[in-house]
This record gives sequence, structure tokens and C-alpha cells, in this order.
Amino acid sequence: RKEVEQDPGPFNVPEGATVAFNCTYSNSASQSFFWYRQDCRKEPKLLMSVYSSGNEDGRFTAQLNRASQYISLLIRDSKLSDSATYLCVVLDYKLSFGAGTTVTVRA
Amino acid sequence: DAEITQSPRHKITETGRQVTLACHQTWNHNNMFWYRQDLGHGLRLIHYSYGVQDTNKGEVSDGYSVSRSNTEDLPLTLESAASSQTSVYFCASSGGRSNNEQFFGPGTRLTVL
Repeated sequence: RKEVEQDPGPFNVPEGATVAFNCTYSNSASQSFFWYRQDCRKEPKLLMSVYSSGNEDGRFTAQLNRASQYISLLIRDSKLSDSATYLCVVLDYKLSFGAGTTVTVRA
Repeated sequence: DAEITQSPRHKITETGRQVTLACHQTWNHNNMFWYRQDLGHGLRLIHYSYGVQDTNKGEVSDGYSVSRSNTEDLPLTLESAASSQTSVYFCASSGGRSNNEQFFGPGTRLTVL
């Protein structure tokens, strides 16, 4: 079983829509959680950390469910510029990256 | 501005050749990492370093080596390149604790023929 699993998508949504997707992790002792964003053929960049109480950053909301071992990312009022691959990242003794969920926002 | 750079950005080599990929950061970060990214896989850790003269194996270290002689550089060497090592390679660095944000270089696309 992979340490971090994500639905690869793609999620194709119109501008203004809400899109949400999850990521599951296998190690219950994992300590920290992140979402990174990766544009095509570019380097990953930190989008946001995920806190136990859940957190928002503008149109982005991240949630952590330790009991079911998943984290989620919700994007409200999608913009064309949100089109990217979103990488779920989990820290136990090292960072483990999911393969990514691709989101395409269409006009 | 501080940054992290990789060179070359693209490389084509032949099976059996030794290849070195450079990574240079000006963040003055102690922690540096090398990953490879392949279709259908997440970023997979090859080697990492928590400071000068410190190197550690990641989950896919076979066929690769690194050395850390200063804070700024962590070169990645493929001792004898194999076609299975065709991939996109990312270098990253972070400061302080292991859960701090990692900053990634632009990547090196390596093709082994």
C-alpha cells in the first residue's frame, strides 16, 4: 500500500465552481500535513499547511481527519489560474508525496 | 533574492555513463533533498542531507550518490546511468525543523538512452 494515495483526477470544473478532493495516508503516526501545488513541468510549491482544526487561506480550505487518516482540499470560486496538480504531502520521519490530483478549470 | 538552482535543466546521456546533476541554494538552508518524479508516482526521495558532511539514503537511493562539502551545494551523481533512471529530478532545501516548507529547484529532465 502506498504511504500517500490520491485520486489522480482529472477534475474538470467550470470557473466559479467548487471542487474538493481527498488524500489518504497509511501511517497513523504522521505528524504534519501539507498541500503543494505543481504547475505543468514546474517545481512544486507549498500551497498550505494542514492543521488539526482545519484552516482556510482565501478560497482554499484544508481539513484533517486523523481518525479516518485523510486530508482534504476544497477550492471555492475556482479560477482558471487554479488549474494545476495538487500534491498531498505527509510527514512522519520524512516527507511522503502523493502522486497528485489534477484540476482543470475551464472558462 | 535567495534561490535554489539546478543544472543542467535538460540532459541526454547514454547507458553506463556517469552523470552529475548540480543543485545550489542561497537560502543558507541546512537541509537539502533530491527527489525523482515519474508519471504515476509521487516525488520519491533519493538522498538527503541535514548539514555539511551529512548524507542519508532515501527510499530509492540505489545507483545514486551525493556529497555535501558545503552548505550551498548537494550534487547528485549517477554512477552508471541506466534507462530506469530517466526521470525528472528535483532538488529541494529547507531550514530548521524537518516539517518546515521545502523550496524546490526548477528540475532537471534526464534522459538515459
